[in-house]
Amino acid sequence: GDSVTQMEGPVTLSEEAFLTINCTYTATGYPSLFWYVQYPGEGLQLLLKATKADDKGSNKGFEATYRKETTSFHLEKGSVQVSDSAVYFCALSGGYQKVTFGTGTKLQVIP
Amino acid sequence: NAGVTQTPKFQVLKTGQSMTLQCAQDMNHEYMSWYRQDPGMGLRLIHYSVGAGITDQGEVPNGYNVSRSTTEDFPLRLLSAAPSQTSVYFCASSYGTDYYEQYFGPGTRLTVT
Repeated sequence: GDSVTQMEGPVTLSEEAFLTINCTYTATGYPSLFWYVQYPGEGLQLLLKATKADDKGSNKGFEATYRKETTSFHLEKGSVQVSDSAVYFCALSGGYQKVTFGTGTKLQVIP
Repeated sequence: NAGVTQTPKFQVLKTGQSMTLQCAQDMNHEYMSWYRQDPGMGLRLIHYSVGAGITDQGEVPNGYNVSRSTTEDFPLRLLSAAPSQTSVYFCASSYGTDYYEQYFGPGTRLTVT
């Protein structure tokens, strides 16, 4: 079945540092890929998505590129802020009316 | 738009009690789902629905029931609560799963003692 593997956290960075959170997936066919963010005490909200190979999703300075050859969708940001502290979830939708989520990576940004 | 609403926000149950977690959305979404979130395990799908009158099981359905009599509402029933059901529960809705953003409610934190 479908699966998503994310790097384990927590990830602790200083403000303005470069961020990468790795995500790889296993799926049949051509899934859509997503990054969701969860701020403390809240539900998840969509950060960005890509629906086909080589697509780049971007939002709020975050980017991720759909790499079919490496089955990856790594999240990057050039300069993180304290307000980016949250839990980040990689997810895929491969059809079959289900969305599969990774285990989440907690990011803490310190001033 | 209120989006996706969930009630209650917090709940404490004793083992063996039953209760219903409420979920409603006002975006006319056909697809709705329930997840539980546990530390180190991400989100796991409990049940989902692709429209009124249609429901199906997800990854961890045991101990939970759902029904979908209207497009707007998708309640989750715990039949006989167990400590293993202590978790944070999220309801989500969308136009579908392929390509589409899932909209999440704020969650219900359930403790079973």
